[in-house]
Amino acid sequence: KNEVEQSPQNLTAQEGEFITINCSYSVGISALHWLQQHPGGGIVSLFMLSSGKKKHGRLIATINIQEKHSSLHITASHPRDSAVYICAAPPPQGAQKLVFGQGTRLTINP
Amino acid sequence: DAGVIQSPRHEVTEMGQEVTLRCKPISGHNSLFWYRQTMMRGLELLIYFNNNVPIDDSGMPEDRFSAKMPNASFSTLKIQPSEPRDSAVYFCASSGGILDEKLFFGSGTQLSVL
Repeated sequence: KNEVEQSPQNLTAQEGEFITINCSYSVGISALHWLQQHPGGGIVSLFMLSSGKKKHGRLIATINIQEKHSSLHITASHPRDSAVYICAAPPPQGAQKLVFGQGTRLTINP
Repeated sequence: DAGVIQSPRHEVTEMGQEVTLRCKPISGHNSLFWYRQTMMRGLELLIYFNNNVPIDDSGMPEDRFSAKMPNASFSTLKIQPSEPRDSAVYFCASSGGILDEKLFFGSGTQLSVL
């Protein structure tokens, strides 16, 4: 089984700050997912990446396969970015059987 | 596309009753997943299907839980009999399959078993 750890568990910042959320996993993987869960409960897939970096708007995800570590960055954070961010990784033998981190609750104050 | 559609959005039932949750995946997606989310355990995979065939149900907590996918556009998760500890949010998600694994989630079913 893949163990997935996120840090920090909670993060509060001011609007405009640069945000970094970290994810570490214990077993080599083919790809890692970043999800966003809105205060209303809905879950959106932000990124799926297997190497390097991906960017979508103000969100950037990076992964270092050798170090078994991924980061999610938010530039120029905004109150609407307030959500729970969850990373998920599969075990080596089951690419679709994701193991989820406990989530990082992000609050951006105006 | 309307996305992944789950019903009902909320379900309140009494212990011992049968509960059926429904999911319609995105058209063309051939993988479907059922997840459960609780405060204590976070998100957990219960079962997933590829091309309507159950691939891994090791996450299904007990024999009280069962899932079916009779065709590519419909799946059910059934709990019989339900217990208070089954109270959680149940999410259905679909993806294009092994070669296209980005997940698309339904809005979830909030289940409360009294």
